[in-house]
Amino acid sequence: KQEVTQIPAALSVPEGENLVLNCSFTDSAIYNLQWFRQDPGKGLTSLLLIQSSQREQTSGRLNASLDKSSGRSTLYIAASQPGDSATYLCAAAYGQNFVFGPGTRLSVLP
Amino acid sequence: DAGVTQSPTHLIKTRGQQVTLRCSPKSGHDTVSWYQQALGQGPQFIFQYYEEEERQRGNFPDRFSGHQFPNYSSELNVNALLLGDSALYLCASSLGGSPPGYTFGSGTRLTVV
Repeated sequence: KQEVTQIPAALSVPEGENLVLNCSFTDSAIYNLQWFRQDPGKGLTSLLLIQSSQREQTSGRLNASLDKSSGRSTLYIAASQPGDSATYLCAAAYGQNFVFGPGTRLSVLP
Repeated sequence: DAGVTQSPTHLIKTRGQQVTLRCSPKSGHDTVSWYQQALGQGPQFIFQYYEEEERQRGNFPDRFSGHQFPNYSSELNVNALLLGDSALYLCASSLGGSPPGYTFGSGTRLTVV
């Protein structure tokens, strides 16, 4: 069964800290892996997409890595800001659909 | 360039009723996928439509059905609503045939009372 897990479930940090969100997937035969941000009650905003042949992607203060062999991806957020507070979801693409993790709820305190 | 549009944004239905949710894909996209997100959980795949046919389906009962129109827009229908169907329903569009780079809509919040 294809499953995605995320650690930690919730995280509260002071502003300015660098932080790492972890994602694990059981089936390494992914097409790609995508990180999303979700604000309360809202839809999903794509942050980074890593193709299966890639090792990492960067966008501004965000960096995501992918290790297919170990079934892991990490999202690194540098110099966190209160505006980064949201739920972060990782999703592994299998065939034509995504399998999502449960998310990490991030709170950045001013 | 319009993104993915979903309607309505919120609705409340009574247990046993039927509901139809609508989705217009991003311009240039031809594939629509539907996801259900219960409170505090990640989205769960319901089904995907491509070329007006259901191409793939997740582990959802037959009460959940859909349709795709020639203009690529899509509907999600849920019959005999249960309290457990209360969730955020997300529509995502992509360009079909290749592994997905989804664009998500803002969702429809369905409450079943």
